[in-house]
Amino acid sequence: DTAVSQTPKYLVTQMGNDKSIKCEQNLGHDTMYWYKQDSKKFLKIMFSYNNKELIINETVPNRFSPKSPDKAHLNLHINSLELGDSAVYFCASSQEVGSATQETQYFGPGTRLLVL
Amino acid sequence: AQKVTQAQTEISVVEKEDVTLDCVYETRDTTYYLFWYKQPPSGELVFLIRRNSFDEQNEISGRYSWNFQKSTSSFNFTITASQVVDSAVYFCALTVVGGGADGLTFGKGTHLIIQP
Repeated sequence: DTAVSQTPKYLVTQMGNDKSIKCEQNLGHDTMYWYKQDSKKFLKIMFSYNNKELIINETVPNRFSPKSPDKAHLNLHINSLELGDSAVYFCASSQEVGSATQETQYFGPGTRLLVL
Repeated sequence: AQKVTQAQTEISVVEKEDVTLDCVYETRDTTYYLFWYKQPPSGELVFLIRRNSFDEQNEISGRYSWNFQKSTSSFNFTITASQVVDSAVYFCALTVVGGGADGLTFGKGTHLIIQP
């Protein structure tokens, strides 16, 4: 069973379009995250979310928005896509933030986004 | 703010050699976790180890070992008798306990190439 899954795996789209990436975890975790990996492999947190709060990295454009229909899902919506949005986007999840025993984040397989 | 430095951008060794990947971190928090993740050519991020700031014991898992030294703010990773399958990008990462869902702060990664 896949612990953290993302769809689609590949996404090719035109500039200006709006797209979504879905993420689901079946680990029973209550905190989920989105990371962006750029062309140089650098990984950076975009959002983290649990049922109490959404934390947004201040460098993320407001064209990006996370939506969580329930505890097991955190989808990423991107409006007005730009060339610079091309990257690999990883979803991750972990047990309750602040727990002394469970802060390990488990990652999905990644979604490779190419904006033309 | 936290910072993780992986000074080695790329390392190339011949199979069966031992190799050490360096990781140096900065944080003002006294309670934190350190991690290593592996990203093979297939692209997924694989969790390898978590270490909390109160546990400086070294750890060995098969051919992998980790040396955590708070005095030098380092968390180095050694692969003994390297194999071609170890070829990957390895990331060191840090998160603070109870720091809100700030996510992981990653180093820039070390690309390890094991030549047959």
